[in-house]
Amino acid sequence: SQTIHQWPATLVQPVGSPLSLECTVEGTSNPNLYWYRQAAGRGLQLLFYSVGIGQISSEVPQNLSASRPQDRQFILSSKKLLLSDSGFYLCAWSPRTSGRPGEQFFGPGTRLTVL
Amino acid sequence: ELKVEQNPLFLSMQEGKNYTIYCNYSTTSDRLYWYRQDPGKSLESLFVLLSNGAVKQEGRLMASLDTKARLSTLHITAAVHDLSATYFCAPRPGGSEKLVFGKGTKLTVNP
Repeated sequence: SQTIHQWPATLVQPVGSPLSLECTVEGTSNPNLYWYRQAAGRGLQLLFYSVGIGQISSEVPQNLSASRPQDRQFILSSKKLLLSDSGFYLCAWSPRTSGRPGEQFFGPGTRLTVL
Repeated sequence: ELKVEQNPLFLSMQEGKNYTIYCNYSTTSDRLYWYRQDPGKSLESLFVLLSNGAVKQEGRLMASLDTKARLSTLHITAAVHDLSATYFCAPRPGGSEKLVFGKGTKLTVNP
């Protein structure tokens, strides 16, 4: 079966510090991968998605970046965090072909607080 | 660009009552998903609706899809406290690798 991991689970960082969040998927190959952010009490905002190694599509211009160095690894980064970067970051994967193509499966999330 | 409107955004209901959450979307979608999110937790997949007229049911929840009307509904029957959560609909634009999420409906079921 497939599982998706995110770490860290919780993070408190000062403004201006760097950020690296990691997401890995097990039990599948060549998945689509997604990064979302959810501000407190708000909906989901798609930040990046990837259909393959090194292929990143950015949805919202901002001080965040994403990379996919391996097939099942997706990393979200920032060189300098802003207060507005606080939120709940969710990684998701979807299979290319399966009985339920396009369905996205979410990781446990990372709660980021920027002070 | 596909836009999604969920309503209501907040729903407070008593146990045992029925209610429906509506999800309207603006352009063609080839499938639609419903997710549940408990407070402080991640999203859990509830239903996948793949075609016009699709109906899926699990427990006290039933989801349906009308692609001609660009409308999906999530019906709650005889609500219980355990159903308290935020529910998101997410249609997929035709041919896209992305989903577009609604703002979510926060459901509170009171004893």
